[in-house]
Amino acid sequence: GQNIDQPTEMTATEGAIVQINCTYQTSGFNGLFWYQQHAGEAPTFLSYNVLDGLEEKGRFSSFLSRSKGYSYLLLKELQMKDSASYLCAVQDSNYQLIWGAGTKLIIKP
Amino acid sequence: IAGITQAPTSQILAAGRRMTLRCTQDMRHNAMYWYRQDLGLGLRLIHYSNTAGTTGKGEVPDGYSVSRANTDDFPLTLASAVPSQTSVYFCASSDGAGNTDTQYFGPGTRLTVL
Repeated sequence: GQNIDQPTEMTATEGAIVQINCTYQTSGFNGLFWYQQHAGEAPTFLSYNVLDGLEEKGRFSSFLSRSKGYSYLLLKELQMKDSASYLCAVQDSNYQLIWGAGTKLIIKP
Repeated sequence: IAGITQAPTSQILAAGRRMTLRCTQDMRHNAMYWYRQDLGLGLRLIHYSNTAGTTGKGEVPDGYSVSRANTDDFPLTLASAVPSQTSVYFCASSDGAGNTDTQYFGPGTRLTVL
């Protein structure tokens, strides 16, 4: 079967760095997406990885290792507005997205 | 530019009633999707459409139907609602270009079936 695993919840301090991990087992791989979802709102796109390595976008970076079925989202200089759920999704061989349950990130002052 | 709109924002529905959730996009995207999101579970694909005139079944299609008469609209119908269909429903769209095909989401419809 297809499976995406992420921690359910994480807590971090304002100004710090946090790493949210995602491991996956899917039928085929055509890329991995990270989305941010604030409570009561729609998911919004953060990043896309298809090749191994690190993609950096301002305070957010995303890493992929296809051989390990592993990705992480790194958030630097955390701000209170970063409190949200972070969703990992893998595009399978049919180009459909398989979604993890999301990681709720709580930022404390 | 609105992006993707969904209606209604929320709805309480009696079991057995028929309900259509509306979704409209103005980005001229080829592909559209319907997901449901339940606490503790990832987004689950209900139905999708790769282009106007075609539809396909996702992971959890039972009890739902869709149509894609044109590029912009992708309504989702619950023929006879049941309490297990209580959920938040998101419509999404994308270029449909295969990989790097980022999906953009509407604001969601919160549906309660009693």
